[in-house]
Amino acid sequence: KQEVTQIPAALSVPEGENLVLNCSFTDSAIYNLQWFRQDPGKGLTSLLLIQSSQREQTSGRLNASLDKSSGRSTLYIAASQPGDSATYLCAVPGAGGGADGLTFGKGTHLIIQP
Amino acid sequence: DAMVIQNPRYQVTQFGKPVTLSCSQTLNHNVMYWYQQKSSQAPKLLFHYYDKDFNNEADTPDNFQSRRPNTSFCFLDIRSPGLGDAAMYLCATSSTGVYGYTFGSGTRLTVV
Repeated sequence: KQEVTQIPAALSVPEGENLVLNCSFTDSAIYNLQWFRQDPGKGLTSLLLIQSSQREQTSGRLNASLDKSSGRSTLYIAASQPGDSATYLCAVPGAGGGADGLTFGKGTHLIIQP
Repeated sequence: DAMVIQNPRYQVTQFGKPVTLSCSQTLNHNVMYWYQQKSSQAPKLLFHYYDKDFNNEADTPDNFQSRRPNTSFCFLDIRSPGLGDAAMYLCATSSTGVYGYTFGSGTRLTVV
C-alpha cells in the first residue's frame, strides 16, 4: 500500500527566503505526483503536476522535482512571500488509477513571517 | 473557466437530520471523487464514480451514500449525521484517475 510522507510538518520562515518542502512515497510505480496548496477552511488548489517521465515542473516562483527511483519529490519556493502561507500537500494516484484515488501526505504547514 | 463547483460552501445540519452536498463539473471528466477531511488531517477517500460505476471504500460508513445522475453532477448524502461527521467535504474530478485531479472549494459541514 502506497504511503506518502511530508517533511517538515510545519515551517516558519521570514519573508524573502527560499525554501524546500519534501515529499517521499514508498511505491515508485506512480503515474505522476501532484502538489496542492490548501488555505485554511478552503479546498485544494493544484500547483504543479509532474508526470512520471518528467524530472521537474516550474510555475512562477515554484519548482517541483521528481526522483521516481528514490521515491522523492521536492517543492522549491523562491523568494517567499506572506501570501505563500498555507498548507502544502503532495499526492500520488494509486496503482489502480481511478479506482484508488489519490494518496496524500499529511502536509507541510507553512508560515511566512512579514 | 472549466472547474469543479461545490454547494453550499458551509452547511449546518442537526444531529440525525439528512443532508445532501452537491458537486458539479465542467471538465467532462469521467471520474468523480468524494473526500472527507477533518482538521489537520489528510483528505480521506470516501467513494468515487468511474463513469456510472459506483465504488465504495471499504471503511466508508453506511451512513454515507452518493448519486451521480449524469456526467456533470455528483451528490453526497449523509443519512443521519453524527457529531463525528463534522468535516470539510471535498469533491474532485479526474480523467481516468491518472491525469491530474481538480478539486472544488469544499463544503464545511457542521453538525449541531
